[in-house]
Amino acid sequence: EAQVTQNPRYLITVTGKKLTVTCSQNMNHEYMSWYRQDPGLGLRQIYYSMNVEVTDKGDVPEGYKVSRKEKRNFPLILESPSPNQTSLYFCASSLGGLGGSTDTQYFGPGTRLTVL
Amino acid sequence: AQTVTQSQPEMSVQEAETVTLSCTYDTSESNYYLFWYKQPPSRQMILVIRQEAYKQQNATENRFSVNFQKAAKSFSLKISDSQLGDTAMYFCAFIPPRYNQGGKLIFGQGTELSVKP
Repeated sequence: EAQVTQNPRYLITVTGKKLTVTCSQNMNHEYMSWYRQDPGLGLRQIYYSMNVEVTDKGDVPEGYKVSRKEKRNFPLILESPSPNQTSLYFCASSLGGLGGSTDTQYFGPGTRLTVL
Repeated sequence: AQTVTQSQPEMSVQEAETVTLSCTYDTSESNYYLFWYKQPPSRQMILVIRQEAYKQQNATENRFSVNFQKAAKSFSLKISDSQLGDTAMYFCAFIPPRYNQGGKLIFGQGTELSVKP
């Protein structure tokens, strides 16, 4: 089944404790992205990747890191989480490449993160 | 700046009735793509419908259709024969051309739709 998976689905942590949210897609998509969803703000892009080893900042990158060492994986890293990073996080992927990253983006199931 | 605005935070409709969700956007681009995503209580983001700006014909997907007014920068979603399973948050989203902003989806604030029996 074609899908985007994220782990963990739920996470409660404390301020300053490094964490990683994994994202994996099995559709051979070149484009991957992370969004956070907050009430009244919709979804906002954190980071995106056009291909392996190519990443760039979105609208709200502060406090986050990403890496793209393999085409299928795009982990989101919070080196020192803070309470304002409590949010619902989505990973998404699309065909991208020469076809353009205007292709339809497919979303993972979301990760609910709470930072105390 | 490119923005998407959904002016209706909440809406409700009776089962089997028709409802229209509004969306306006702002861009100076001439070619772009518009989407409606549905987010049910499970929080999964599900694509409902997609519209290419260069196509004049409005997109349709079964009970879902759009009214795309390019000059007015309006992209409303019509749901016909509403069903209880349509209860969800609906997000309008816009994506500029590939060369601009790397394929970022720009989302509206969402409209919470309740379908009542």
